[in-house]
Amino acid sequence: SAVISQKPSRDICQRGTSLTIQCQVDSQVTMMFWYRQQPGQSLTLIATANQGSEATYESGFVIDKFPISRPNLTFSTLTVSNMSPEDSSIYLCSGVGATDTQYFGPGTRLTVL
Amino acid sequence: QKEVEQDPGPLSVPEGAIVSLNCTYSNSAFQYFMWYRQYSRKGPELLMYTYSSGNKEDGRFTAQVDKSSKYISLFIRDSQPSDSATYLCAMSRGVDRDDKIIFGKGTRLHILP
Repeated sequence: SAVISQKPSRDICQRGTSLTIQCQVDSQVTMMFWYRQQPGQSLTLIATANQGSEATYESGFVIDKFPISRPNLTFSTLTVSNMSPEDSSIYLCSGVGATDTQYFGPGTRLTVL
Repeated sequence: QKEVEQDPGPLSVPEGAIVSLNCTYSNSAFQYFMWYRQYSRKGPELLMYTYSSGNKEDGRFTAQVDKSSKYISLFIRDSQPSDSATYLCAMSRGVDRDDKIIFGKGTRLHILP
């Protein structure tokens, strides 16, 4: 199984600032994803992080707001830009391994004041 | 109608009881069905994974899929306080890059000692 770590685990940010979340996987994964989990809501896929190219965003999410990088097979970052209180949520990194099993990181709990 | 419906609970049962968690879905193309367990302040972890209809058992856990009714269940036997968590059902059409996993909102389960 893959072990996924995220940094930071939580943060409290001011409106209008940006936060970059890092995701590190301990083994190579074929695909990496970023999700958002808001209270009482299901996991919502933000984008698929593609190695060495632009991420593939889901409807309702745009690169200017959530720029994503994936420079190699085991590392990705998600930036939440120009934050507002509506961006307060848990952001989860996920990876799919060789057996097509999807693993999740512990999440980053973001509060925007 | 949402693609995946799951009662958010909370569901409280006494220790030792059999727990039944359920999801319904509307997309008949779903073939892969998963249950994730998420402890407080942790990321979801894969608990059970089934393909198409039928039952799958793993220790105290049994996953059941009824495609004719578009209904899936997770049973927990001899429930323990350590089973207290949020359980998310998830499903997809396939395992290819374009086959997104759709999650339920999760059911919060409390096992009372």
